[in-house]
Amino acid sequence: EDQVTQSPEALRLQEGESSSLNCSYTVSGLRGLFWYRQDPGKGPEFLFTLYSAGEEKEKERLKATLTKKESFLHITAPKPEDSATYLCAVPVITQGGSEKLVFGKGTKLTVNP
Amino acid sequence: DSGVTQTPKHLITATGQRVTLRCSPRSGDLSVYWYQQSLDQGLQFLIQYYNGEERAKGNILERFSAQQFPDLHSELNLSSLELGDSALYFCASSVVDSPWTGEQYFGPGTRLTVT
Repeated sequence: EDQVTQSPEALRLQEGESSSLNCSYTVSGLRGLFWYRQDPGKGPEFLFTLYSAGEEKEKERLKATLTKKESFLHITAPKPEDSATYLCAVPVITQGGSEKLVFGKGTKLTVNP
Repeated sequence: DSGVTQTPKHLITATGQRVTLRCSPRSGDLSVYWYQQSLDQGLQFLIQYYNGEERAKGNILERFSAQQFPDLHSELNLSSLELGDSALYFCASSVVDSPWTGEQYFGPGTRLTVT
């Protein structure tokens, strides 16, 4: 079964302390991998799309990378406002032949000042 | 602000009841997606409509149904509600008729509490 697994479940960092979040997937024939940010009680906000191994995308303090089996979201010198849950998602084809996004359960990031 | 609107923000109802959640997509977006988010299951895809037609189905219960109207707004109907249906329900929209681009824009959600 297609799966998306994110680790760690939760991560606490001090302001300025860089780290990485992991998203591993077992989807065959990857058609893209997507990162979203979700603040408590709000809808997910689109961050990045990665389509092929070796691809990298950057936005402010965030950089997403993709290999054949996993993706990393690197956070450089984080600030308290980067605190959120980060979700990754991959599109999969259902048994009925349609398509859907499968989301991981997310990594809850807390950045302390 | 993603441009996707959802009403109501909060809904409290009793078991066995029926509710309707409403979503207006971003201007120009033809696709509408519905998701359910609970603490234990995470974000689960329910159903997608594209320009008024059902395009993809996910883990949507038979007690749930949806439709997209000519003005492209969508409604999600939940009936015979059970305690386990308590969750956040999100609507998302995108221009294309496939989730492959991943650039779905999510609304603020409706928090449903079934008592």
